[in-house]
Amino acid sequence: QTVVTQEPSVTVSPGGTVTLTCASSTGAVTSAYYPTWFQQKPGQPPRALIYSATNRHSWTPARFSGSLLGGKAALTLSGVQPDDEAEYYCLLNYGQTMIFGGGTKLTVL
Amino acid sequence: QLQVQESGPGLVKPSETLSLACSVSGGPVSSSSYFWGWIRQPPGKGLEWIGSIYYSGSTYYNPSLKSRVSISVDTSTNQVSLKLSSVTAADTARYYCASGRSYYYGMDVWGQGTTVSVSS
Repeated sequence: QTVVTQEPSVTVSPGGTVTLTCASSTGAVTSAYYPTWFQQKPGQPPRALIYSATNRHSWTPARFSGSLLGGKAALTLSGVQPDDEAEYYCLLNYGQTMIFGGGTKLTVL
Repeated sequence: QLQVQESGPGLVKPSETLSLACSVSGGPVSSSSYFWGWIRQPPGKGLEWIGSIYYSGSTYYNPSLKSRVSISVDTSTNQVSLKLSSVTAADTARYYCASGRSYYYGMDVWGQGTTVSVSS
């Protein structure tokens, strides 16, 4: 059974930079998995931030960037703001199956 | 602009079938421009992909749910439906409908979700 792994929790200071990662138990994550990143705040539905590993949606602030890094998908937040405190999920597309990572709780402190 | 909204009974009895609808506005559910997905989130837990349906009619399901789940589209009502049979308490979750333009763009339109509790 394929597993997608994210850091359970990460803490960052306001104004800092942080990178969240998304790994696949099948091996290196590539663009062929169309990595997608979502942000979810309490009581709200997930909001798509990044598609196909590196592309921001029109509504995604420029401080969010996606990449492929060391065999993983990565989401980097630069100049973190208190409003960025949320749960972040990655989603990998394996063709006939999609699998979410367990999520990373980002605390801004 | 495409929008989706989930609806359905908030309470389902164990062993019964959960049936939810996703009402689509801003575009036809039969459009080749979109695919549709269902995702759920148990209380306090992460997201779980349930399955997706594509313009071709092809459906793909989470292997762990495949024997119990069915997703279909109803062009007469412009809705996407989800049916999950033989439910147990483990199926208690908030259920989301989402839409995407392609694998490349991913699922970028989400509904607010609807909460389903399984209890006698």
